[in-house]
Amino acid sequence: KAGVTQTPRYLIKTRGQQVTLSCSPISGHRSVSWYQQTPGQGLQFLFEYFSETQRNKGNFPGRFSGRQFSNSRSEMNVSTLELGDSALYLCASSFTWGSYEQYFGPGTRLTVT
Amino acid sequence: GESVGLHLPTLSVQEGDNSIINCAYSNSASDYFIWYKQESGKGPQFIIDIRSNMDKRQGQRVTVLLNKTVKHLSLQIAATQPGDSAVYFCAETEEDGNKLVFGAGTILRVKS
Repeated sequence: KAGVTQTPRYLIKTRGQQVTLSCSPISGHRSVSWYQQTPGQGLQFLFEYFSETQRNKGNFPGRFSGRQFSNSRSEMNVSTLELGDSALYLCASSFTWGSYEQYFGPGTRLTVT
Repeated sequence: GESVGLHLPTLSVQEGDNSIINCAYSNSASDYFIWYKQESGKGPQFIIDIRSNMDKRQGQRVTVLLNKTVKHLSLQIAATQPGDSAVYFCAETEEDGNKLVFGAGTILRVKS
């Protein structure tokens, strides 16, 4: 069974631009969570989607948004990029909402210049 | 806000020795604790979990200990191997969803 896939793997953007990252969960998994990983703040929860609905949200500004499609694939969007948004963005999938066993993808490395 | 773990220490061990990685958590309402391993260039990989109603759980070469009195979690790795070299994170969550709160992580270096 294929694991969680994330595209693109690497991305360079300029401050002020916007970016969309994509995540395909493990087949059969319906819950997708997003995390931001930086050296300074570590791994921080962004949001979680299940059945195309946002179920939980972390403490990030409104510039960070996401959505989930009917096939469980998810996208996250960051608008008006700031230098501090440079990070590894990780997607994790689980079978259902409320499942603690999450499987992570390799991440998308975003660099904002 | 709530947090799990404080620093990013480094633990160096000799191949074949046992490793103990520690983690402090702050949310006494947390119901579930998980250890993840992250190798360079990869996402975190699930290792082992423990519910708050347990104080010990064993897996293959790994044991997790939970001390709720002092809000402390530890991961013990037996007969540490070079392939165990990675960053190890503890994470906690309450019962209401998938939101994981991660610790800062510990770097484990295995010397051959």
